[in-house]
Amino acid sequence: TQLLEQSPQFLSIQEGENLTVYCNSSSVFSSLQWYRQEPGEGPVLLVTVVTGGEVKKLKRLTFQFGDARKDSSLHITAAQPGDTGLYLCAANSGGSNYKLTFGKGTLLTVNP
Amino acid sequence: DTAVSQTPKYLVTQMGNDKSIKCEQNLGHDTMYWYKQDSKKFLKIMFSYNNKELIINETVPNRFSPKSPDKAHLNLHINSLELGDSAVYFCASTPSGIYVNSPLHFGNGTRLTVT
Repeated sequence: TQLLEQSPQFLSIQEGENLTVYCNSSSVFSSLQWYRQEPGEGPVLLVTVVTGGEVKKLKRLTFQFGDARKDSSLHITAAQPGDTGLYLCAANSGGSNYKLTFGKGTLLTVNP
Repeated sequence: DTAVSQTPKYLVTQMGNDKSIKCEQNLGHDTMYWYKQDSKKFLKIMFSYNNKELIINETVPNRFSPKSPDKAHLNLHINSLELGDSAVYFCASTPSGIYVNSPLHFGNGTRLTVT
């Protein structure tokens, strides 16, 4: 079973639209990370959420950690073509501090 | 300056060959990782090394042998390459393990194509 389930898997929208990406699990996490990966590059950290119910904002991106620390969401307001990329959530798994497990990602395309 | 650098960027080779991918980080980190990203973009951990010592080996076939000559380098040697080894391989590093304030720093990947 997949530790982290992301949805949707693919998302294609027009510039200016809003969208939400979800990351769900049956496990409780001490923290959860969101990364964005652009073509030909490695993933880059966007944010880490730590506290249940926490909301963090990064310009037009809003990240929320569920109250029970089992799920998280990423909301983008007024999407721009530059937001195009693969969005990945990730968390430590198996109690190890040397193993970060990723969800399967949401591939976002924002069309001009 | 590139923080985590991998070479080569692209690698095309035939089945049965042996190849190596090199990784170097200039961040002064103690922990380095190899991840494999398949054609569906799923990113899966292969190995973790801390201070040159193997910490995680995620049931990777014996044909894959990582080597860490020092804390700044983690190379990946692959023997008897198979078609299923085709993927993008990412090296990454963290100061010491994975904690709230120490996310993974990735290289830009090595695209391996086995024909």
